[in-house]
Amino acid sequence: ETGVTQTPRHLVMGMTNKKSLKCEQHLGHNAMYWYKQSAKKPLELMFVYNFKEQTENNSVPSRFSPECPNSSHLFLHLHTLQPEDSALYLCASSQDVPGGVLVRNTEAFFGQGTRLTVV
Amino acid sequence: AQKVTQAQTEISVVEKEDVTLDCVYETRDTTYYLFWYKQPPSGELVFLIRRNSFDEQNEISGRYSWNFQKSTSSFNFTITASQVVDSAVYFCALLGGGADGLTFGKGTHLIIQP
Repeated sequence: ETGVTQTPRHLVMGMTNKKSLKCEQHLGHNAMYWYKQSAKKPLELMFVYNFKEQTENNSVPSRFSPECPNSSHLFLHLHTLQPEDSALYLCASSQDVPGGVLVRNTEAFFGQGTRLTVV
Repeated sequence: AQKVTQAQTEISVVEKEDVTLDCVYETRDTTYYLFWYKQPPSGELVFLIRRNSFDEQNEISGRYSWNFQKSTSSFNFTITASQVVDSAVYFCALLGGGADGLTFGKGTHLIIQP
């Protein structure tokens, strides 16, 4: 039990479909993240939410839309994806301390990921 | 910009051999954290170690050991007497002062053959 749960574990979707990835953390953390892991690239940070506010969006295409309704849940809404979006999408959480810099995010806990295939 | 380089894409050794995974990083920050994560075939990332930039003391945990050399910007990871269960992808990561999240290397796929 990692404390961070992602559903579904596997997802196959067509390019015209709309789907959502869900992440839930049971650790009482206040920051949540979406990462993308492609086959031949380093892990890429996509979105960051601190205290439910989005603080980072690393030039992610608009076909990916995050939602953080509360500090325990994070969604990634997907629509009109491309085959190159096929990847492992990892959610993570950490405990950040407001006002600090390196006191924050000292350890991120990751979910098992969703393996997404776009056909 | 921060950067983490894991030059070894794949390493294959026979069980019981020692193996070292290299990690070289770049950052302009004077204070930062370094991490190693293990990713087994199941996909999740498992935290192994965190080291801050002020602590260059090497650490040993069972068969795992880490060598932090600030002078060469390296944070290498050694597995002693490797086992088949060590087979996984290992990621080195860096958290600098202004980063929101971690900067990861590409990972090293470690294969331990019986």
